[in-house]
Amino acid sequence: GQQVMQIPQYQHVQEGEDFTTYCNSSTTLSNIQWYKQRPGGHPVFLIQLVKSGEVKKQKRLTFQFGEAKKNSSLHITATQTTDVGTYFCAGGIQGAQKLVFGQGTRLTINP
Amino acid sequence: DAGITQSPRHKVTETGTPVTLRCHQTENHRYMYWYRQDPGHGLRLIHYSYGVKDTDKGEVSDGYSVSRSKTEDFLLTLESATSSQTSVYFCAISETMSGTVDGYTFGSGTRLTVV
Repeated sequence: GQQVMQIPQYQHVQEGEDFTTYCNSSTTLSNIQWYKQRPGGHPVFLIQLVKSGEVKKQKRLTFQFGEAKKNSSLHITATQTTDVGTYFCAGGIQGAQKLVFGQGTRLTINP
Repeated sequence: DAGITQSPRHKVTETGTPVTLRCHQTENHRYMYWYRQDPGHGLRLIHYSYGVKDTDKGEVSDGYSVSRSKTEDFLLTLESATSSQTSVYFCAISETMSGTVDGYTFGSGTRLTVV
């Protein structure tokens, strides 16, 4: 079936270091969404990208959608302890009107 | 998010018993979903609904059934609970199936333990 692969599965960084998680699909996506789940919490929608090559920023977070609309990345600059959690990408499958979630990247931070 | 509530928040049940989880929304969204979350597997879709009495299977639907008799309520039933169904269950809602308006809104989750 259609899959959205996300790497790495886990990432541990020192506070202040940068962090990046990557999302890859074997098929072209109509859109890509990113969610954050704090420990013990539920996924919360962060942002959506729709256009080829699109880049969006939210403070220290930068989201990119690849030119071929098959991959995406989330980059956090100068991590803070409040960034701890699991980050999920979710790709919209073209023609299927379906959202497929990646496995998530769990970010832990050493203060 | 205040627009979606799940009940119960926690439940412990015995193997072989039926269990029903409830999801209630006040957003009047058309689409509702049930996911389970397990370590290493992310979010896996169990069933979803695209309207009253309109439901379809997700990728891990075996052992589960759903019902949606009203726009605001989506019930998930484990017909005969097994230990492999111990998980955290999330309900989600959206205006479109691909979430192209404001993404999916998730409930706070139900932690189910089958002993």
